[in-house]
Amino acid sequence: RKEVEQDPGPFNVPEGATVAFNCTYSNSASQSFFWYRQDCRKEPKLLMSVYSSGNEDGRFTAQLNRASQYISLLIRDSKLSDSATYLCVVNRLLYGGSQGNLIFGKGTKLSVKP
Amino acid sequence: NAGVTQTPKFRVLKTGQSMTLLCAQDMNHEYMYWYRQDPGMGLRLIHYSVGEGTTAKGEVPDGYNVSRLKKQNFLLGLESAAPSQTSVYFCASSKQGPPLHFGNGTRLTVT
Repeated sequence: RKEVEQDPGPFNVPEGATVAFNCTYSNSASQSFFWYRQDCRKEPKLLMSVYSSGNEDGRFTAQLNRASQYISLLIRDSKLSDSATYLCVVNRLLYGGSQGNLIFGKGTKLSVKP
Repeated sequence: NAGVTQTPKFRVLKTGQSMTLLCAQDMNHEYMYWYRQDPGMGLRLIHYSVGEGTTAKGEVPDGYNVSRLKKQNFLLGLESAAPSQTSVYFCASSKQGPPLHFGNGTRLTVT
């Protein structure tokens, strides 16, 4: 089982739709979690951190379920500008060390159509 | 405030040639990283540094060397380029652990 798994998509949705992405991780020692957004031929950019209690930033809601080792991202009222690839990122301590290692999922592609 | 700057943006190399990718950050970050991104593979860590003068291997270090002589710069070297090193290379920095701030990337083709 891959350490971080995401449905690659693509998710094709109309403007205004609500869309949800899921991500599972295999290492229970994972400590922190993030969603990054990557536009075509651009660098990844932090979208939001994911907290155990769940957190919201405008139209975006992230949730974490440690028991099921599952992270989700919900986008409400999709905009054309939301079209991008969304990367699930998990941070875990390197074995025997204090330095974390970010593990990136392969990403879920979202295409929002007019 | 430029953030993380990578040079060059594009490069084509022949097999066996060498080159150095430069990453510079002006955020006074301690940690710096080099990743490569290949289709269907996601981002993979090549090497990283937790401070000036220190470097460590990541997930895919073979064929690469790095140096962090100054806090603001992190260099990635390819001593003898191979076609398997054709990729998009991203440098990133962070204050101390995530989240990471990425540079714009370097597209490298090895023929």
